[in-house]
Amino acid sequence: DQQVKQNSPSLSVQEGRISILNCDYTNSMFDYFLWYKKYPAEGPTFLISISSIKDKNEDGRFTVFLNKSAKHLSLHIVPSQPGDSAVYFCAVNRDDKIIFGKGTRLHILP
Amino acid sequence: DTEVTQTPKHLVMGMTNKKSLKCEQHMGHRAMYWYKQKAKKPPELMFVYSYEKLSINESVPSRFSPECPNSSLLNLHLHALQPEDSALYLCASSQGTGYSPLHFGNGTRLTVT
Repeated sequence: DQQVKQNSPSLSVQEGRISILNCDYTNSMFDYFLWYKKYPAEGPTFLISISSIKDKNEDGRFTVFLNKSAKHLSLHIVPSQPGDSAVYFCAVNRDDKIIFGKGTRLHILP
Repeated sequence: DTEVTQTPKHLVMGMTNKKSLKCEQHMGHRAMYWYKQKAKKPPELMFVYSYEKLSINESVPSRFSPECPNSSLLNLHLHALQPEDSALYLCASSQGTGYSPLHFGNGTRLTVT
């Protein structure tokens, strides 16, 4: 049973534009959310996190938005750069376990 | 460079072999993790160690045996694996469990023949 859903397997965005990656979750008790980026043949790299007491967290080009009523979070990357091409995983804390969504492959087009 | 180091990078083993995967971190983290990732799938949690004690085992078959000799080291002992166990095995560490981000190594690519 998928508790963290990333419904877009892939996304293509023009370099310099905004990339928006989406994630839905099923349990309103989840209270800590993370985004990871993964290149082939490397481990996932932590990007940004947010706790449920906030609705926005920003770190440089990366901003995560949390909509608790919709059980939805999104990652905004502005401006998108070629090095952002990777697989992005949404993750949640469930009972002290970090559980990952299936990922979205982001392609940044020149 | 990742601050979590995993060795070896690649491993090929037969179904009767015994081998070990090793993981080391020097960030002073107190929690360490093993995840398994198959192609085009998300990482799946296998084990969690907190303060050198096994705190979570996600019903992993006994042919996988974790060990945490000290707070910096984590091993995964492998015995009598099956071809379907072929995957990328990722080690991670964090300051604590649950509300701290995980820092991953680059993984060991395991092939069971």
